[in-house]
Amino acid sequence: EPEVTQTPSHQVTQMGQEVILRCVPISNHLYFYWYRQILGQKVEFLVSFYNNEISEKSEIFDDQFSVERPDGSNFTLKIRSTKLEDSAMYFCASRGDRSYGYTFGSGTRLTVV
Amino acid sequence: AQTVTQSQPEMSVQEAETVTLSCTYDTSENNYYLFWYKQPPSRQMILVIRQEAYKQQNATENRFSVNFQKAAKSFSLKISDSQLGDTAMYFCAFMTYNTDKLIFGTGTRLQVFP
Repeated sequence: EPEVTQTPSHQVTQMGQEVILRCVPISNHLYFYWYRQILGQKVEFLVSFYNNEISEKSEIFDDQFSVERPDGSNFTLKIRSTKLEDSAMYFCASRGDRSYGYTFGSGTRLTVV
Repeated sequence: AQTVTQSQPEMSVQEAETVTLSCTYDTSENNYYLFWYKQPPSRQMILVIRQEAYKQQNATENRFSVNFQKAAKSFSLKISDSQLGDTAMYFCAFMTYNTDKLIFGTGTRLQVFP
């Protein structure tokens, strides 16, 4: 079964530091996403990405956030200057045909101290 | 606004019994997809079952089935013959044809006990 791979599984960073969360989507998928889940709360959409550009983003996804597909396999989320409230589980996802839904990675737990 | 409501924060069921998790949603769109995702303690999001709104037949995947009532905007999940490994958080979600994001409910925590 193809998987979406996320690294690292857990990252601790100091407030104000930059972090990059990495994802390897399923190879034949063309649509990529980042979601986050603050502990105990609902899963929130951050951004969708297709054809090397952002197709949709939420109000959470402000100027501190950026995404990139630097090569043919990786998909990254960068947070430029982390805040305490950025502490959350970040999920990468990818999809082919939308009727099949997304395949999610196992998440990166980001802790900002 | 498009929303998903899961009115049961927690449910419990005995092993081998059947449990139904509720989900209602609100959208003015006519074409959309509905999903149930499972999030076990490992925190990974796993697709359990999906339904296309234009299909009247309820989706079934082994022990998991849905009761889709389009007019009522209801999409409940039935788990038959519950197993200990079904213990997890369950999220209902939907996505319309004209957007590319999943909208999630707040989740139902299911505990299966021996």
